[in-house]
Amino acid sequence: SQTIHQWPATLVQPVGSPLSLECTVEGTSNPNLYWYRQAAGRGLQLLFYSVGIGQISSEVPQNLSASRPQDRQFILSSKKLLLSDSGFYLCAWSQVNYGYTFGSGTRLTVV
Amino acid sequence: GENVEQHPSTLSVQEGDSAVIKCTYSDSASNYFPWYKQELGKRPQLIIDIRSNVGEKKDQRIAVTLNKTAKHFSLHITETQPEDSAVYFCAAPKYNFNKFYFGSGTKLNVKP
Repeated sequence: SQTIHQWPATLVQPVGSPLSLECTVEGTSNPNLYWYRQAAGRGLQLLFYSVGIGQISSEVPQNLSASRPQDRQFILSSKKLLLSDSGFYLCAWSQVNYGYTFGSGTRLTVV
Repeated sequence: GENVEQHPSTLSVQEGDSAVIKCTYSDSASNYFPWYKQELGKRPQLIIDIRSNVGEKKDQRIAVTLNKTAKHFSLHITETQPEDSAVYFCAAPKYNFNKFYFGSGTKLNVKP
């Protein structure tokens, strides 16, 4: 069966510090991968998605970037965090024409 | 891009009553519509989905209906229980790729 791992679960970072969140999927090959952000009490904002290694599409211009160095690994990064980067970050995977399976999320607080 | 509107934003019902959440979408080529439940502090989880070749799908106390002509779909929860309290999101795909746009969410509160 397929599983998705996301870490860390919580993170408190100072403004201006770098960020790296990692997500890996097991039990499937060539998944579509996604990063979403959810502000407190709000909806799900698509940040990046990827259909294959090295293929990244950005939905919203911002202070973040994403990379897919391996088929089942998706990384979200920032060189310098802003206060507005705080939120609940969710990685997800899917096969084409099926719904998402979300990771457990990372709650990021920028202070 | 795809525009998904979801109503109501909050819904409070008495235990045992039914709850209905509605979503509309704009891309007539959309063909798959999932619903997610998100409990406080947790990840959204897929609870039911429907494809465009059917009009209704049921799974125990939950059901989803789809009206392709009107471009709307609804989640129905019958005999609600306190554990149904959560935020529910609908989603619709971008046609040529498996990328979903989500509704803004409905916070359901089931009062015991």
